[in-house]
Amino acid sequence: DADVTQTPRNRITKTGKRIMLECSQTKGHDRMYWYRQDPGLGLQLIYYSFDVKDINKGEISDGYSVSRQAQAKFSLSLESAIPNQTALYFCATSDTLGNTGELFFGEGSRLTVL
Amino acid sequence: GENVEQHPSTLSVQEGDSAVIKCTYSDSASNYFPWYKQELGKRPQLIIDIRSNVGEKKDQRIAVTLNKTAKHFSLHITETQPEDSAVYFCAARPPNSNSGYALNFGKGTSLLVTP
Repeated sequence: DADVTQTPRNRITKTGKRIMLECSQTKGHDRMYWYRQDPGLGLQLIYYSFDVKDINKGEISDGYSVSRQAQAKFSLSLESAIPNQTALYFCATSDTLGNTGELFFGEGSRLTVL
Repeated sequence: GENVEQHPSTLSVQEGDSAVIKCTYSDSASNYFPWYKQELGKRPQLIIDIRSNVGEKKDQRIAVTLNKTAKHFSLHITETQPEDSAVYFCAARPPNSNSGYALNFGKGTSLLVTP
């Protein structure tokens, strides 16, 4: 089945370290997103990408950067991790052509910054 | 930007009862309102959605209603079952392309259905 895959699924790191979370999809969708989930705060948009040449900031982009290496790959980086970036991170995709609006989420990457 | 408020944050019902979760949105131009269910340790998954040209939509035990004038929409689950226990998120999508079809989510409702 076509899916959205995130790696790593779990990561523990120390303050100041650089971390990359990777996302790949086999759905053939053009749009990709990174969301952050904190208990009681819902899902907050970090970055989104229309296609390989288009990157846009979401509501909480400070402290994060992204790279769209190919249509199927969208990675999220924390250049210098800090403890309040401890969260569950979700990658998601959507299909412009289908325009159903549905987001398809990966399984999530749980990041702990000590 | 779009602001979505969701209530209640937690909801406990007995099996067989109905559950209602309510959301309000701020951008009157928003035109797409999905609901996602997230089971413990799993990814969010779409369970039902409604567009701004429709007032109500049903899918078996689940229904969503939309009041554009009041800018609120609700999820109704009838005959609840223990497997309905999960966190439910509402979302709204503004129509402009600047958002990249990104969804603005409410903070979630943790629903517990007790046998």
